[in-house]
Amino acid sequence: GAGVSQTPSNKVTEKGKYVELRCDPISGHTALYWYRQSLGQGPEFLIYFQGTGAADDSGLPNDRFFAVRPEGSVSTLKIQRTERGDSAVYLCASSRDRGDTQYFGPGTRLTVL
Amino acid sequence: QQPVQSPQAVILREGEDAVINCSSSKALYSVHWYRQKHGEAPVFLMILLKGGEQKGHEKISASFNEKKQQSSLYLTASQLSYSGTYFCGTVTGANNLFFGTGTRLTVIP
Repeated sequence: GAGVSQTPSNKVTEKGKYVELRCDPISGHTALYWYRQSLGQGPEFLIYFQGTGAADDSGLPNDRFFAVRPEGSVSTLKIQRTERGDSAVYLCASSRDRGDTQYFGPGTRLTVL
Repeated sequence: QQPVQSPQAVILREGEDAVINCSSSKALYSVHWYRQKHGEAPVFLMILLKGGEQKGHEKISASFNEKKQQSSLYLTASQLSYSGTYFCGTVTGANNLFFGTGTRLTVIP
């Protein structure tokens, strides 16, 4: 595809449920990043993948959050036992390599009721 | 590690100029500037690497003062399409991109 795509665009769930958010990066980009953006704030780093491995997951807020990228392309962010405080826009970005320009997807707006 | 941006918000008339500042308490390897319109993804504007270089993109340019750990974004002869929230992202030793809280720019006719 031409750019980074994310699905779903919107997700409404109930407190305590499990959700998966998908990111499809630009073809050929080895680096993939997940961010979380709350209203009125800048994107907050969550996790970075280089290829298939999570090279840096220091931004994940707690162990309810987990992400995978099994084949080095598509990535899935998984949130267990969702809480109302998890409500935010989850952005994915990819770059050709670490340190290169990051291109963002349109985001998934997660609402936890 | 979050950089500080100023001002928080600015309103301009078409054709006016603006400067947005970004400063960090840590040594910077690079600064990335993005513009985000409401409900959309951040769009890359430019990246500045160590060396105090200045870059330009249309009528938008930026500078990077490595010693002061600061970057400034210059918007000249603003257009309505420039409206949005501008974020600087800074890369320090950890190589992760940390974004500021943004500067909301509104250009009015």
